[in-house]
Amino acid sequence: SYELTQPPSVSVSPGQTATITCSGDKLGDRFVSWYQQRPGQSPVLVIYQDTKRPSGIPERLSASNSGDTATLTISRTQAMDEADYYCQAWDSNTAVFGGGTKVTVL
Amino acid sequence: EVQLVESGGDLVAPGGSLRLSCAASGFAFSSYSLSWVRQAPGKGLEWVSAISYYSTYIYYGDSVKGRFTISRDNAKSSLFLQMNSLRADDTAVYYCARDGGSNPAVGAYGMDVWGQGTTVTVAS
Repeated sequence: SYELTQPPSVSVSPGQTATITCSGDKLGDRFVSWYQQRPGQSPVLVIYQDTKRPSGIPERLSASNSGDTATLTISRTQAMDEADYYCQAWDSNTAVFGGGTKVTVL
Repeated sequence: EVQLVESGGDLVAPGGSLRLSCAASGFAFSSYSLSWVRQAPGKGLEWVSAISYYSTYIYYGDSVKGRFTISRDNAKSSLFLQMNSLRADDTAVYYCARDGGSNPAVGAYGMDVWGQGTTVTVAS
């Protein structure tokens, strides 16, 4: 079965840039979505179709997808960005989530 | 306001059954595909099942195939998940989520609206 691999955790200082990777076989050939989940809350879509931001998502969040790796970048990180982030793609009519990355703003 | 509200979660014994519901409001329900996604305590997100606009496309994750059935009633703007032969590892918060695509398996739009979740606990 298809797998998406994310680092378990990323730490970043306020105002700095956090980078979260998501790896999967030929991931660049698929659409990737990214979700943010703050503690005790439901997930929120922050990126779809590899690079697009839904309405209301700040421009500080950006993403790319090429080859075997998709990347979510959080620029000028703020305390409110502290959350779990999940990548997601479809393979063979199955939606697959990455294991999630906990972003800690130190 | 665009909203999804899940209900039906409960404590159930192993081998039992449960039916989850998701009531939608604030958008054209029949124009969207929908998914169920679950999250076990302290764990990550796991996709469970998806259904397209008019139920043309229905998909299941391997862990629930043959035990769970997804359905929808467009007239009542409602999504359902019938869960049979429940096991301890089905214990989770179950979310319904909206997908903009006509066939969710294309994955072009992501799951852009989520409910607050309903808790299913399978234990004796």
